[in-house]
Amino acid sequence: AQTVTQSQPEMSVQEAETVTLSCTYDTSENNYYLFWYKQPPSRQMILVIRQEAYKQQNATENRFSVNFQKAAKSFSLKISDSQLGDTAMYFCAFMKPTEGYGGATNKLIFGTGTLLAVQP
Amino acid sequence: EAGVAQSPRYKIIEKRQSVAFWCNPISGHATLYWYQQILGQGPKLLIQFQNNGVVDDSQLPKDRFSAERLKGVDSTLKIQPAKLEDSAVYLCASSFRGDNYGYTFGSGTRLTVV
Repeated sequence: AQTVTQSQPEMSVQEAETVTLSCTYDTSENNYYLFWYKQPPSRQMILVIRQEAYKQQNATENRFSVNFQKAAKSFSLKISDSQLGDTAMYFCAFMKPTEGYGGATNKLIFGTGTLLAVQP
Repeated sequence: EAGVAQSPRYKIIEKRQSVAFWCNPISGHATLYWYQQILGQGPKLLIQFQNNGVVDDSQLPKDRFSAERLKGVDSTLKIQPAKLEDSAVYLCASSFRGDNYGYTFGSGTRLTVV
């Protein structure tokens, strides 16, 4: 079974600085997808960035980028120029499309999250 | 486009009572998911629908939880009877075809069982 581990329960960063959140996962699959989601106090999970395992190039979305190390099964998120609005819980998630009894299932498996606080 | 709508936003009930949550996915999204997020944990899939059929309910406690998706659009999740350990945020999400680009989540319902 796939598992996702986030070893940093809480992190803090000064506004405008850079912070890296760690994530490791365990799978025997070769093709899969990895995600970072942001969950602010409003509780809505917001997709931050997505990585396809068969692509070697690291995904980037504006101030957000990942360091994807497939062999090491590591998927860290770097936030540059941190802003107060980045304060939230961040969840790393794994997806491997599989066949359920009712059809294809794209279940997301989440880590336990990292609470990021951006300080003014 | 309108997002995934959920109600109520908060609910407090006593143990052994019943409760129901409602979800309206994004228009045209065939796949709908219910996740349970216990405090301090990541969300865990309870059930996935494709249109009005169940794709995966392997982690749904079927002795007390039930879910349906009427006409392949709205969905309700019910707990009967509730236990203290059911206190959690219940998140609904939808996607166009269960694809691998991630889902759109609603803001969830926070359930407290006392």
